Amino acid sequence: EADIYQTPRYLVIGTGKKITLECSQTMGHDKMYWYQQDPGMELHLIHYSYGVNSTEKGDLSSESTVSRIRTEHFPLTLESARPSHTSQYLCASSEVALNTEAFFGQGTRLTVV
Amino acid sequence: RKEVEQDPGPFNVPEGATVAFNCTYSNSASQSFFWYRQDCRKEPKLLMSVYSSGNEDGRFTAQLNRASQYISLLIRDSKLSDSATYLCVVKSGYNKLIFGAGTRLAVHP
Repeated sequence: EADIYQTPRYLVIGTGKKITLECSQTMGHDKMYWYQQDPGMELHLIHYSYGVNSTEKGDLSSESTVSRIRTEHFPLTLESARPSHTSQYLCASSEVALNTEAFFGQGTRLTVV
Repeated sequence: RKEVEQDPGPFNVPEGATVAFNCTYSNSASQSFFWYRQDCRKEPKLLMSVYSSGNEDGRFTAQLNRASQYISLLIRDSKLSDSATYLCVVKSGYNKLIFGAGTRLAVHP
């Protein structure tokens, strides 16, 4: 089993609230990713990181922000949640070397009401 | 054009059938290739990596054609438990993981 954890698993929150989705891995992976996935739809890369102090925007524009102060943590923050942010957010990590797989956390299902 | 394209399906097959999924990618500089499986409302999990020479893992065979930028997955003797969405994944030269939209497989008795 992969050692990558996301909290909370489920979150229902009101519009305008600030939220932080946590992602932690204990595998020492330098690469970390955030994907957004609506039910029955494809995964969209919204952020990724090559290592500490590295963050990059993904292919899908997102109002969220990320930080990478420590190797093992890659939190995602929404300053002001809106109903359009309702989705599943999946965090993943991998080694830098090519031909290495990515491991996923169990995801956070966010509902903004 | 999407970087990774897959037939969305669904593929509805009886138990014991052989089914093949295809995937094409647009970035010729892509370095690594994978098939992931995603069950309903779960996270994706690695099914198998795809090597240039082709590789097999039990009932699953993956093949890569770099010249045509094409990846395939063959499942033999389908089981009910194979029902899932199969995701084609490409790792680019920048080490970004790009997922296809997935192909849904439904195996029925």
